[in-house]
Amino acid sequence: DIQMTQSPSSLSASVGARVTMSCRASHNIGSYLSWFQKQPGKAPKLLIYGASNLQSGVPSRFSGSGYGTDFTLTISTVQPEDFATYYCQQSAGALMYSFGQGTKLEI
Amino acid sequence: QITLKESGPTLVKPTQTLTLTCTFSGFSLSTDAVGVGWIRQPPGKALDWLAHIYWNDNNYYNSFLRTRLTITKDTSKNQVVLTMTDMHPEDTGTYYCSHLNPSMSYSFQHWGQGTLVTVSS
Repeated sequence: DIQMTQSPSSLSASVGARVTMSCRASHNIGSYLSWFQKQPGKAPKLLIYGASNLQSGVPSRFSGSGYGTDFTLTISTVQPEDFATYYCQQSAGALMYSFGQGTKLEI
Repeated sequence: QITLKESGPTLVKPTQTLTLTCTFSGFSLSTDAVGVGWIRQPPGKALDWLAHIYWNDNNYYNSFLRTRLTITKDTSKNQVVLTMTDMHPEDTGTYYCSHLNPSMSYSFQHWGQGTLVTVSS
C-alpha cells in the first residue's frame, strides 16, 4: 500500500500570508495526487488534481506542484475562508487509494 | 449537474452490519471509466478511503478493511451500496460517497453531503 505523509500537521498563519504545505508518498505516484480542503461539517472540496491542475471554481491563490513522491500545496495569499484542514490523496493506477493525515491551517 | 446523496442508518449496534446507499444523478455508472467511491471520517480524525467501484464492476478496497467491506452497483437505479460487517465503536464517523472522474486523474471530484453513523449499544 502507498502511504501518504503530510507536513506539518498544523500550521499557523495570518491573513495575507503565503503558506506552503507538503505531502510525501511512500512510492512513486507520478502526478496522481489530489488536494482537498475540509471544513467542519462540510464535505471535502477538491482543490487540485493531477498534482498541479486547479479544479474549476477554485481561486487561483491555490496552486499545487510536484511529481513522483514529493508534492506541495501553496496558498499565495491566505484569506479568512481558507482556514481549514487540507488533505492530499493519491490515486496511482486508479487502484488502491489513500489520504494523508492532514494539515490544519490555523489563524 | 452531478449530485450524490448518502442514506442509511444513523445508529448501529456493535457487531451489526452497516448498509449505506449512495444515490446519484448527473452521470451514469455505465460510462467508460467512471467510478464511485466511499470515504469516511471518524470524529477528529483524518479522511479514510474505504472502497470504490468502476463502470466495469472492478472494485478496490482498503486493505485494512477488505474482509469487512463489500461494494456493489445498480446502474439502473443510479446507486452504489457499501456494506460493512462487524461494526465497532471506532467505525463511528461521517461516511461520504464521491464521484470518480477519470479525466481528472481519477480524483474524487463531486461529493455527497455525508451521513453520520454512530456505533453504540
